[in-house]
Amino acid sequence: QSVLTQPPSASGTPGQRVTISCSGSSSNLGSHTVNWYQQLPGTAPRLLIYNNNQRPSGVPDRFSGSKSGTSGSLAISGLQSEDEAGYYCAAWDDSLNGMLFGGGTKLTVL
Amino acid sequence: QVQLQQSGPGLVKPSQTLSLTCAISGDSVFSNSAGWNWIRQSPSRGLEWLGRTLYRSKWYNDYALSVKSRITINPDTSKNQFSLQLNSVTPEDTAVYYCARDIGFDFDYWGQGTLVTVSS
Repeated sequence: QSVLTQPPSASGTPGQRVTISCSGSSSNLGSHTVNWYQQLPGTAPRLLIYNNNQRPSGVPDRFSGSKSGTSGSLAISGLQSEDEAGYYCAAWDDSLNGMLFGGGTKLTVL
Repeated sequence: QVQLQQSGPGLVKPSQTLSLTCAISGDSVFSNSAGWNWIRQSPSRGLEWLGRTLYRSKWYNDYALSVKSRITINPDTSKNQFSLQLNSVTPEDTAVYYCARDIGFDFDYWGQGTLVTVSS
């Protein structure tokens, strides 16, 4: 089935470490790398992690990614108020023959 | 620094054609490493990749299966931009539309987004 499943919400307090999961299948995460995007309110998504665990220039090392089998994970350490945003995973899907996005996780910094 | 500037109407009538343009600065539509994409976002469908155009000695297009029968993405080489046309729109096509550059399907630069409402 061509879907990437994320929890709709996550939360943490400043300084904490939070993780966001992305569950897929053999047609997407099982065969391809995962990317993560951050979307601040009212703005376009921003590439946060590519190729499972690579950070583009300018992304703090507080953000890290991993993938195992058909699941991906985004970790944010030393949580800051500015991290409050939507987070989306994405991967190529062989069944769709196209890019697939997860439903997104809204992160709240308490 | 790559910048993508979107333009186009924010209101389209049902059954008509949605048309948007994305002007590229800091890169070329002829890039042999980039693809030029359209992605939309709505509360009901989330983020949805629609398709892309790319140049690899000749022009290619990739389209999402969900819109393949209705979509055209074209480069405009004289203006270093690319366009989206989506035919036979319905209210379900109401969304914020983004253009984006990809390198190996990593979407690293995005346009500012255009809210397109399909309504009579």
